[in-house]
Amino acid sequence: QKEVEQDPGPLSVPEGAIVSLNCTYSNSAFQYFMWYRQYSRKGPELLMYTYSSGNKEDGRFTAQVDKSSKYISLFIRDSQPSDSATYLCAMNYGGSQGNLIFGKGTKLSVKP
Amino acid sequence: DAGVIQSPRHEVTEMGQEVTLRCKPISGHNSLFWYRQTMMRGLELLIYFNNNVPIDDSGMPEDRFSAKMPNASFSTLKIQPSEPRDSAVYFCASSPLTGAGDTQYFGPGTRLTVL
Repeated sequence: QKEVEQDPGPLSVPEGAIVSLNCTYSNSAFQYFMWYRQYSRKGPELLMYTYSSGNKEDGRFTAQVDKSSKYISLFIRDSQPSDSATYLCAMNYGGSQGNLIFGKGTKLSVKP
Repeated sequence: DAGVIQSPRHEVTEMGQEVTLRCKPISGHNSLFWYRQTMMRGLELLIYFNNNVPIDDSGMPEDRFSAKMPNASFSTLKIQPSEPRDSAVYFCASSPLTGAGDTQYFGPGTRLTVL
């Protein structure tokens, strides 16, 4: 079993839809949870960051962490064509950034 | 701020040739990371440096891969000899701090094709 599992998609939604992206993980020691967004032919960029369990909201984006279920989610409200990208979850159990483990990414397409 | 700079952006080479990828981190950042991204394996950490010192190279796939950071503003990843299975996008990232939750800033990547 891989440490971090993420459905690769692709996921296609109409503009304005609510998007739900998810990752599951196996290592209960993970404490830091991140979502990176990667546009085509670009490097990943940090979108959201959460420490431990709970919710975090930033504009149209909400990150949720459920440590009891080893499950994290990213919700995008009122999705826009500019949100079309690959979304990678990443997590770290602390100590150093060298322990950052990425999911393979979910490719999202928002159709106008 | 120019961000993380990588060169070349694209590299096509033949099996057996030496390949050198270059990275200039964001000025003032203390940590530098080399990643490899493929469809099959996703984004994998190869090696990272703190204050120019290699901390963990356990992700380096084989002895054919080597990385150096001679100063705070420059790093190289070398593959010698290259093989077709090394074809991937190689990313360099830097971070201002060394904490587990600190943000990593990625460069645009080098797309390597080994024929």
